[in-house]
Amino acid sequence: GENVGLHLPTLSVQEGDNSIINCAYSNSASDYFIWYKQESGKGPQFIIDIRSNMDKRQGQRVTVLLNKTVKHLSLQIAATQPGDSAVYFCAEENNAGNMLTFGGGTRLMVKP
Amino acid sequence: EAGVAQSPRYKIIEKRQSVAFWCNPISGHATLYWYQQILGQGPKLLIQFQNNGVVDDSQLPKDRFSAERLKGVDSTLKIQPAKLEDSAVYLCASSLDPHRVGYTFGSGTRLTVV
Repeated sequence: GENVGLHLPTLSVQEGDNSIINCAYSNSASDYFIWYKQESGKGPQFIIDIRSNMDKRQGQRVTVLLNKTVKHLSLQIAATQPGDSAVYFCAEENNAGNMLTFGGGTRLMVKP
Repeated sequence: EAGVAQSPRYKIIEKRQSVAFWCNPISGHATLYWYQQILGQGPKLLIQFQNNGVVDDSQLPKDRFSAERLKGVDSTLKIQPAKLEDSAVYLCASSLDPHRVGYTFGSGTRLTVV
């Protein structure tokens, strides 16, 4: 929604640089994780997902890394563009496999 | 394909008034979710439907919130009476299958309670 990034941690990067957004999850039994991008005035949009049997998954300009030992997830965006400016949320799936719990989000600001 | 449609886009009401939100999911999507997103936070699940049945409403404040999906397609979420802390964006999402959680969100209804 509008101003969804207010009060959220903010990462500011220069256009063309790489961005790394971090997330800590809570449930050690979670086995499916998703990164969402939310632009102002819009709902969350799926970016990339990863299952717990993987440590790394790559998409187009995005990479997700999973460290199950410390329950940490990161999203790497290569060659960050102004259009990448948004709030990014990680989400973990419950044991039943039908509900997502979202993290608190990080606002990414790309400076031209 | 058309996305998840929600209306109204914005709503401002006074506390203790009632309000209703409408969601039309993607055609053929059996599973529908309502989320509440308070400013500066991630979305929080309120209720999940599978067709016209409720799968999970454990986080729905049932003393004031209600939701229905009578024909297994459109859904409405109602708040009666509203409180100041209900100010949030209410997001609807749908998916083909309850176990495919890469589902599609609508743009939400922004509610302001004054």
